[in-house]
Amino acid sequence: AQSVTQLGSHVSVSEGALVLLRCNYSSSVPPYLFWYVQYPNQGLQLLLKYTSAATLVKGINGFEAEFKKSETSFHLTKPSAHMSDAAEYFCAVSRMDSSYKLIFGSGTRLLVRP
Amino acid sequence: NAGVMQNPRHLVRRRGQEARLRCSPMKGHSHVYWYRQLPEEGLKFMVYLQKENIIDESGMPKERFSAEFPKEGPSILRIQQVVRGDSAAYFCASSATGFKETQYFGPGTRLLVL
Repeated sequence: AQSVTQLGSHVSVSEGALVLLRCNYSSSVPPYLFWYVQYPNQGLQLLLKYTSAATLVKGINGFEAEFKKSETSFHLTKPSAHMSDAAEYFCAVSRMDSSYKLIFGSGTRLLVRP
Repeated sequence: NAGVMQNPRHLVRRRGQEARLRCSPMKGHSHVYWYRQLPEEGLKFMVYLQKENIIDESGMPKERFSAEFPKEGPSILRIQQVVRGDSAAYFCASSATGFKETQYFGPGTRLLVL
């Protein structure tokens, strides 16, 4: 069975500081991996996805993530946080043979301090 | 270009009533997915539909829940005889095809059962 673990339900950074949101997955088959962002009372927006091409994936709004098979990780980073990055971030995994069924982590709320 | 539309955005029901949630996919999309988000949790897959077909309903509760995506009109998620535990945010997503395609999420319907 697949699962996703996001370490830290809340992460607080200062504006301009590095953002690092952690995601570890378990999967018995090669996975697809995703990061979504959710702003208050809105739906989820795709930030980036890994589908077995390049292991370093660049997304929107300056975010990127690196797939590390040996560590079963897919951490999300951004060099410099903006106030507008404050939101909830979800990591998700799916199987290649049932790629439509996204399995989400419990989310990490990012707070950005002025 | 309108995104995924869901209505109502907020729905209040008393225990034992029926809830009907509607989802209009993005233009050109014929694949629809429903997810449920319980408070402080990630989204959980419920069902995957194409026009007039249920492809995977492995995440749907066995009783009281049903989904359809008719040839014409929106997809409907129906919850009969609601209970307090059904209170959650229900998100719909759509994609152009079902394989490796990005899912685009709607803003969700927040159901509150009194």
